[in-house]
Amino acid sequence: DAMVIQNPRYQVTQFGKPVTLSCSQTLNHNVMYWYQQKSSQAPKLLFHYYDKDFNNEADTPDNFQSRRPNTSFCFLDIRSPGLGDAAMYLCATSRVLQGENIQYFGAGTRLSVL
Amino acid sequence: KNEVEQSPQNLTAQEGEFITINCSYSVGISALHWLQQHPGGGIVSLFMLSSGKKKHGRLIATINIQEKHSSLHITASHPRDSAVYICAVRIQGNLIFGKGTKLSVKP
Repeated sequence: DAMVIQNPRYQVTQFGKPVTLSCSQTLNHNVMYWYQQKSSQAPKLLFHYYDKDFNNEADTPDNFQSRRPNTSFCFLDIRSPGLGDAAMYLCATSRVLQGENIQYFGAGTRLSVL
Repeated sequence: KNEVEQSPQNLTAQEGEFITINCSYSVGISALHWLQQHPGGGIVSLFMLSSGKKKHGRLIATINIQEKHSSLHITASHPRDSAVYICAVRIQGNLIFGKGTKLSVKP
């Protein structure tokens, strides 16, 4: 059974048109992450929530925002997608417990910008 | 500056071969992860290590903290092992990824 679910798997948007990607989890983990992965590159952390605390990476563009309305859901909002934002977006969760912090990844949403 | 270096970048093996993928890092870490990413993009966490060695089925991961080096071994490789294997290190709460090693196992 899928534990970290990302919807949709494929998203097409237009240049400049706001888009929201969603992630839900059934693991009750306290940490949720959003990564961006461009073709043939390693994933890059955009931000993460530790419970309700939002932690933004220093080099994440302002164009990217996130919301976590409750433990189970986390959203990635791209306010004005550019062609360079076309990528795979990966959501992950983890529970920080006694030194263990294994991240569980969703299948990803592949975003195309036309 | 790459904090995580993986080698080789690409690896082709025949079914049944023993495979080793290496990961070196430059700073002190609290943990190291080995991840597997299949062509569809989904990522699976294989191991998290802070010391020593872990084994799961045909996969073995080792880490040498003093040498800042980890290896992932696959015994009796199989075409279904074909994937990108990614090393990631935890530094001050952040997970820093290597660029990955693309493994192709031929039947």
